[in-house]
Amino acid sequence: EPEVTQTPSHQVTQMGQEVILRCVPISNHLYFYWYRQILGQKVEFLVSFYNNEISEKSEIFDDQFSVERPDGSNFTLKIRSTKLEDSAMYFCASSEQGWTITNEKLFFGSGTQLSVL
Amino acid sequence: GESVGLHLPTLSVQEGDNSIINCAYSNSASDYFIWYKQESGKGPQFIIDIRSNMDKRQGQRVTVLLNKTVKHLSLQIAATQPGDSAVYFCAEGPTFFGNEKLTFGTGTRLTIIP
Repeated sequence: EPEVTQTPSHQVTQMGQEVILRCVPISNHLYFYWYRQILGQKVEFLVSFYNNEISEKSEIFDDQFSVERPDGSNFTLKIRSTKLEDSAMYFCASSEQGWTITNEKLFFGSGTQLSVL
Repeated sequence: GESVGLHLPTLSVQEGDNSIINCAYSNSASDYFIWYKQESGKGPQFIIDIRSNMDKRQGQRVTVLLNKTVKHLSLQIAATQPGDSAVYFCAEGPTFFGNEKLTFGTGTRLTIIP
């Protein structure tokens, strides 16, 4: 079964450093998402991306965050200057058609655990 | 603000028994709900969904019940197996056109006792 792949599985960084989290969505999917989960808390929506632009973002997704689809397969989340509170598990997800056409299933990757020291 | 929440954080069930995981939501405009299973070290995995025009939907060993009157849904897992041990989340789908996000509940950790 096709799956969403995320790298690295763990990322440790110093506060103030930039990090890039990488994702390879399922190949025929057109809608891409980032979610995060702080330890012991809910999974929270960060951003959705379609047709090479952000379609929706949450209040968490401030100017320190950016997303990019640099080529036909990768989808990245960049945090420019990490803060302690950015420590979380970051999940990438993709869907074929997105919510507004059908209630498409989201396929989630296994996540990148980001630890900011 | 609107929220999706779970009644119990942990649940232990004897292998072979049935389990019921509950979820409350507060947005009466919600019309689509999904249950996800998250195993250790993995991302959320779709289990079953239900639209608000339905009261019940069945899958393989799983049933979701929706009570719109009290804004409550539940996930029933029949004949539980060790592989059912995981954290289960209910999530609310987008409530208006153009909205893309899922709103997750806190999660219930289900442990199957051999």
